Amino acid sequence: DTGVSQNPRHKITKRGQNVTFRCDPISEHNRLYWYRQTLGQGPEFLTYFQNEAQLEKSRLLSDRFSAERPKGSFSTLEIQRTEQGDSAMYLCASSVFRVGSNQPQHFGDGTRLSIL
Amino acid sequence: GQQVMQIPQYQHVQEGEDFTTYCNSSTTLSNIQWYKQRPGGHPVFLIQLVKSGEVKKQKRLTFQFGEAKKNSSLHITATQTTDVGTYFCAGRGGATNKLIFGTGTLLAVQP
Repeated sequence: DTGVSQNPRHKITKRGQNVTFRCDPISEHNRLYWYRQTLGQGPEFLTYFQNEAQLEKSRLLSDRFSAERPKGSFSTLEIQRTEQGDSAMYLCASSVFRVGSNQPQHFGDGTRLSIL
Repeated sequence: GQQVMQIPQYQHVQEGEDFTTYCNSSTTLSNIQWYKQRPGGHPVFLIQLVKSGEVKKQKRLTFQFGEAKKNSSLHITATQTTDVGTYFCAGRGGATNKLIFGTGTLLAVQP
């Protein structure tokens, strides 16, 4: 079990630029989640995938955010035209899906985004 | 929308004292999970509660799920410095599969 891997660990960019983050889940996990966390707050749900299908997306997520999981393995989260308010830690988590039970989510170390 | 609140936001205890954090949801939950996040770290799963009134123990940690499945608590007996971190509850409710995390309780333990 190599754990959930996220890269880059840190990203500093100027306002208006596009950024893309990558998440590699635990290999046998078919569910993958993206969260955003700001200082002193709990993780805020953004979206999740089951295999390659994006099943739910937060209404808080603007059109500038898009996520993909093309082959049902790794996922990317892209933010277009970044704004100051996008500065946060972006966390990825994965889990096994079993019908009738909710499994624990395993989190990566996150990508910290800073917008200048 | 669904909200999950935790109290207190912050608690500072002397090592050996007990600690409790309370979690309250605005809606009925199908289940609740608890996570611990060390400073600078990521959330780590502790436990899941599913049944109304359920109580589970992990060594010095006791977790409860309310009868109405709208609240939960985590109690730590005789805190140690290794217990330092932020404790989050996270619940699922309604037709959604997304986890809604609580606001968290930051525990500081003075040796």
